[in-house]
Amino acid sequence: GAVVSQHPSWVICKSGTSVKIECRSLDFQATTMFWYRQFPKQSLMLMATSNEGSKATYEQGVEKDKFLINHASLTLSTLTVTSAHPEDSSFYICSALRRRASDEQYFGPGTRLTVT
Amino acid sequence: AQRVTQPEKLLSVFKGAPVELKCNYSYSGSPELFWYVQYSRQRLQLLLRHISRESIKGFTADLNKGETSFHLKKPFAQEEDSAMYYCALRSGGGADGLTFGKGTHLIIQP
Repeated sequence: GAVVSQHPSWVICKSGTSVKIECRSLDFQATTMFWYRQFPKQSLMLMATSNEGSKATYEQGVEKDKFLINHASLTLSTLTVTSAHPEDSSFYICSALRRRASDEQYFGPGTRLTVT
Repeated sequence: AQRVTQPEKLLSVFKGAPVELKCNYSYSGSPELFWYVQYSRQRLQLLLRHISRESIKGFTADLNKGETSFHLKKPFAQEEDSAMYYCALRSGGGADGLTFGKGTHLIIQP
């Protein structure tokens, strides 16, 4: 199967600090990965599309300077929440696109971020 | 702008009863529609997509472009179907992200 991992699974950080979340495709290469955000009892909202070797594409309303995305290899994308504030507390989920006939997205288990 | 609407936050049915989870969408082009399922404490996983027109775990969904709907159906619910179900839309090619509905929590009562 196609497995996507995220690290860490949960993190608590203090307001003003930065935190990095990793998303890895374990058994396939992914030139495209996606980052979603999920607020409690709400749906997933696409934040950005991460492309290997190029700049990420951010959705409208998402601050690119606050949510830094780096996709340096075919199996790893990172999301760095800079100068985190309590309102950034959320569940962050990544997915990796497996390019075959079906172009299916495989989701990671998510990372719970709590900013105190 | 595209939008996916799932009108029911919670749906509770008895085991063996038919299930229908509603999904409506708005998009000016030709979208791809998906149903994702999230079982308790597990990650999101693809249940089915409209282009494959297949039945997975007894579930089917037909894209109705006239009504802009993609309802998920199963004739006889099973307890293991209890989960969170999300309808999602992809607007363009395979490299586009997904627009999700708010999800429906399906509870199958014994």
